[in-house]
Amino acid sequence: SQKIEQNSEALNIQEGKTATLTCNYTNYSPAYLQWYRQDPGRGPVFLLLIRENEKEKRKERLKVTFDTTLKQSLFHITASQPADSATYLCALGAWGGAGSYQLTFGKGTKLSVIP
Amino acid sequence: EAGVAQSPRYKIIEKRQSVAFWCNPISGHATLYWYQQILGQGPKLLIQFQNNGVVDDSQLPKDRFSAERLKGVDSTLKIQPAKLEDSAVYLCASSLDGRYSNQPQHFGDGTRLSIL
Repeated sequence: SQKIEQNSEALNIQEGKTATLTCNYTNYSPAYLQWYRQDPGRGPVFLLLIRENEKEKRKERLKVTFDTTLKQSLFHITASQPADSATYLCALGAWGGAGSYQLTFGKGTKLSVIP
Repeated sequence: EAGVAQSPRYKIIEKRQSVAFWCNPISGHATLYWYQQILGQGPKLLIQFQNNGVVDDSQLPKDRFSAERLKGVDSTLKIQPAKLEDSAVYLCASSLDGRYSNQPQHFGDGTRLSIL
């Protein structure tokens, strides 16, 4: 069966360091992958999208890599700040077979940046 | 641009009662999604609309859940009768056109449902 695993439920890092979150998947052939941020009591907010034929994508302090051979995406936040503390969700996109694309989400990793 | 609006924010009901949630997507967005997010889990797709037609409802428990999107804009999700395991946050999202793979989804802040 299809499975999406995010490396850990919680990750604590020191302010200023680089946070690296992992998303692994099995029995899946995604066309693209998205990362979302979710704060307590709020809906997920889109951060980055990377396609299957792209190796890396950057946006300000964020970087995403996508390795379809390893079936893995890495999400990096450089120069992390306490304001980056949130849950980060990995979502795999694939053709739903009914005329549209659909996302399947991982459980998320709760990142805490310690001052 | 205004975001996805959902109401109510919170709802507490007893099991076997019915409940309805409302969603107003971003103006011009053709695709609307309803997700269920249980505590500690990622969102799980329940139903997807393209304009006012259902694209996928394979994970919707149709014996108790129903949804509609009249006129291709607002949408309502209903549960009748509710079970204890329905306690979750119900998220609505929209995208410009879900037929294309470059579409981010925009989420509302959800309705937190508690079943007693």
